[in-house]
Amino acid sequence: DTEVTQTPKHLVMGMTNKKSLKCEQHMGHRAMYWYKQKAKKPPELMFVYSYEKLSINESVPSRFSPECPNSSLLNLHLHALQPEDSALYLCASSQQGARNTEAFFGQGTRLTVV
Amino acid sequence: SQQGEEDPQALSIQEGENATMNCSYKTSINNLQWYRQNSGRGLVHLILIRSNEREKHSGRLRVTLDTSKKSSSLLITASRAADTASYFCATGGYGGSQGNLIFGKGTKLSVKP
Repeated sequence: DTEVTQTPKHLVMGMTNKKSLKCEQHMGHRAMYWYKQKAKKPPELMFVYSYEKLSINESVPSRFSPECPNSSLLNLHLHALQPEDSALYLCASSQQGARNTEAFFGQGTRLTVV
Repeated sequence: SQQGEEDPQALSIQEGENATMNCSYKTSINNLQWYRQNSGRGLVHLILIRSNEREKHSGRLRVTLDTSKKSSSLLITASRAADTASYFCATGGYGGSQGNLIFGKGTKLSVKP
């Protein structure tokens, strides 16, 4: 199984809503990532989890709150978002500590904030 | 922040032609990777070239790497309509996490049947 599964595929939320994005992988990868991709732009790294601990936060606003409940799951909790947060949110995973290996990406959640 | 530039930003070719995309980067690297993205969905890994390699092949893909010029190219031979997608180069893997990627701006390839 080389899949990273993200749910939901699409999400529309109001600025006062609280929602969560979910990501799951069963490849035994101990590094998991959240990326944000605006239209016609490349993905940009938001968070990195290594062995279920947050290792990198790329100065992301606190209205985005990541969580890694176990080695297979990664969540991104959303609260009080702004319309400019509308984007494709991509989850990825990779082997931790191994050089020269690839990252596996999910299909993304397309988020619209209204 | 973006690692560098890719050119061209958009490329339109006929089926059967070859497509060449270039990528430049700014920092020293362990490896450089190329990913493909269809219609703004997930990214699919195509090929990885290590910093001590100069050329690598995978099926219809050929990647070159010139570390002295901090540049790479991706060649897709005998293109097909199904190759229509955006292609990104990426570097990273810092701190032992290979998915800490910095992506180039990407090339949008359109292959006309």
